[in-house]
Amino acid sequence: AQSVTQLDSQVPVFEEAPVELRCNYSSSVSVYLFWYVQYPNQGLQLLLKYLSGSTLVKGINGFEAEFNKSQTSFHLRKPSVHISDTAEYFCAVSWSNYQLIWGAGTKLIIKP
Amino acid sequence: DAMVIQNPRYQVTQFGKPVTLSCSQTLNHNVMYWYQQKSSQAPKLLFHYYDKDFNNEADTPDNFQSRRPNTSFCFLDIRSPGLGDAAMYLCATSRVKGRDDEQFFGPGTRLTVL
Repeated sequence: AQSVTQLDSQVPVFEEAPVELRCNYSSSVSVYLFWYVQYPNQGLQLLLKYLSGSTLVKGINGFEAEFNKSQTSFHLRKPSVHISDTAEYFCAVSWSNYQLIWGAGTKLIIKP
Repeated sequence: DAMVIQNPRYQVTQFGKPVTLSCSQTLNHNVMYWYQQKSSQAPKLLFHYYDKDFNNEADTPDNFQSRRPNTSFCFLDIRSPGLGDAAMYLCATSRVKGRDDEQFFGPGTRLTVL
């Protein structure tokens, strides 16, 4: 069965420092890739998605992600985080149909 | 602004007492989804509607039902809530049922079962 792995359950980082949140998936065959953000007590919001084309995808709030087919990864990055980036980040992958397979989430903790 | 609205935001019910959560959308999307999200876990898809076509996930308990009386509204009914059903329930919509289609989420309803 296809799966999505977010290895880090929590990532603490100092404000204004860069951050990378890791996402790996089980198969590179024809995937669509998404990153969603969930602020405390709120629903999920799409940050960015990769469907095709350039492997570097830019999203909202200064985030970007790179699709790496050989490593089956789609890591999320931001060069300088702000306290307002405190949230949980979910990687999700779509393979053969509409259904999203979700990672377990990574909590981004910003230290002042 | 077009959006997905969930009411109530917080719902408290008693063990075994039926409860209904509601979702409405102004996006005019064809697909509406219900997810269950427990603390620090990924959302788990319970079921979805594509127009009036209902699709139940294989592992969704019979205790959970859904209704979609029209395009804009969708309801989640929990017939006999147990303590294990305490969770955040998220409603989402998408324009069509496509692999590349973004899902738009409501703010969620946090259900507490006493």
